[in-house]
Amino acid sequence: DAGVIQSPRHEVTEMGQEVTLRCKPISGHNSLFWYRQTMMRGLELLIYFNNNVPIDDSGMPEDRFSAKMPNASFSTLKIQPSEPRDSAVYFCASSLGRTGGDGYTFGSGTRLTVV
Amino acid sequence: DQQVKQNSPSLSVQEGRISILNCDYTNSMFDYFLWYKKYPAEGPTFLISISSIKDKNEDGRFTVFLNKSAKHLSLHIVPSQPGDSAVYFCAASVAGGFKTIFGAGTRLFVKA
Repeated sequence: DAGVIQSPRHEVTEMGQEVTLRCKPISGHNSLFWYRQTMMRGLELLIYFNNNVPIDDSGMPEDRFSAKMPNASFSTLKIQPSEPRDSAVYFCASSLGRTGGDGYTFGSGTRLTVV
Repeated sequence: DQQVKQNSPSLSVQEGRISILNCDYTNSMFDYFLWYKKYPAEGPTFLISISSIKDKNEDGRFTVFLNKSAKHLSLHIVPSQPGDSAVYFCAASVAGGFKTIFGAGTRLFVKA
């Protein structure tokens, strides 16, 4: 398995533009998570899905952020309009089933820079 | 409200010595505690975990200790190697739930 695949690896955009981050989870994993890493807050959970259904989006910072999972093999995180404070590394992770001691598998992340 | 805290942003250790990374938590409902390792430009990778019913779990050079009364866990790396230089995240979850809460991370430098 190729692991969790995220695209793009790097994204530089101007303030006010729409940004879409993409994630392909591991085949067979039914839980998907979007995290954001910043220096100040570390790894923050933004939203997670189970069986393609959003379970908890309370970590999404503002209405400018939205996420979808139209099928078991694809998810997007969209920021519209983007702002400089959105600059961070965004990680997607997937797992099989509910939480336990086996951990998540993370993608390599998308480094977003909003100028 | 940070439920999982890693109060040391960085730690420097000599090669061959022990590295001890610490983590505190506030939620007594957590059932699993996990450690992840992250290299630059990569995603975090799962390293080792411990169930709340245990006080120690060992995997090669890595041992995690859990002190439930103090709501504290630690990761010991013995002996430390330069390749262990990375950011280490402590994380916790409730069994049967969906989400895992991460700490802010501790950057470990192992000097040759």
